[in-house]
Amino acid sequence: AQSVAQPEDQVNVAEGNPLTVKCTYSVSGNPYLFWYVQYPNRGLQFLLKYITGDNLVKGSYGFEAEFNKSQTSFHLKKPSALVSDSALYFCAVRGYINTGTASKLTFGTGTRLQVTL
Amino acid sequence: NAGVTQTPKFQVLKTGQSMTLQCAQDMNHEYMSWYRQDPGMGLRLIHYSVGAGITDQGEVPNGYNVSRSTTEDFPLRLLSAAPSQTSVYFCASSLTGQPIEKLFFGSGTQLSVL
Repeated sequence: AQSVAQPEDQVNVAEGNPLTVKCTYSVSGNPYLFWYVQYPNRGLQFLLKYITGDNLVKGSYGFEAEFNKSQTSFHLKKPSALVSDSALYFCAVRGYINTGTASKLTFGTGTRLQVTL
Repeated sequence: NAGVTQTPKFQVLKTGQSMTLQCAQDMNHEYMSWYRQDPGMGLRLIHYSVGAGITDQGEVPNGYNVSRSTTEDFPLRLLSAAPSQTSVYFCASSLTGQPIEKLFFGSGTQLSVL
């Protein structure tokens, strides 16, 4: 079965500094990886995905993620953090349900990003 | 452009009561699903559907029923609420579940069972 680990419950960073939110995964076969963001009292919103191709994936709001197959990691990055980036971030990996006729996303436990002035 | 709409936003139930959480999407998505979000546990899949008339169980289906009579609607029923079902519930849809490329989430229903 597939799984995702987000080792940090919270990441604190000053506005203007680079940020990294960590994610490692376990899955059989080729990994299909996603990042979602959740703002307070809202549902999750898609940020970016890795299916194949370049190891550096660019997404919404200036975020990017680096896929590293040897380390089974998919860390979320942004060169310069904004206070408005403060939110809950979820990493997810795609796998298959039951007989494999439908896929599902398995989510990590989430990392709270706090960006301060 | 409504996307995925969930109602109600908040609900308080007493143990043993029943209720239905509503979910509707206007994107003609084949795949719809229900997740629950609990602190420290991330999101867990309850039930899903790959099209009208087709539903199946996810990771934590006990105590919940679903049906999919139309492409647009995917209600989640709690037949006899228990305190363990206190959670935030999210409905999510995708163009297809074979495979999922991107999930679209509703804004959630916060449920408390006393």
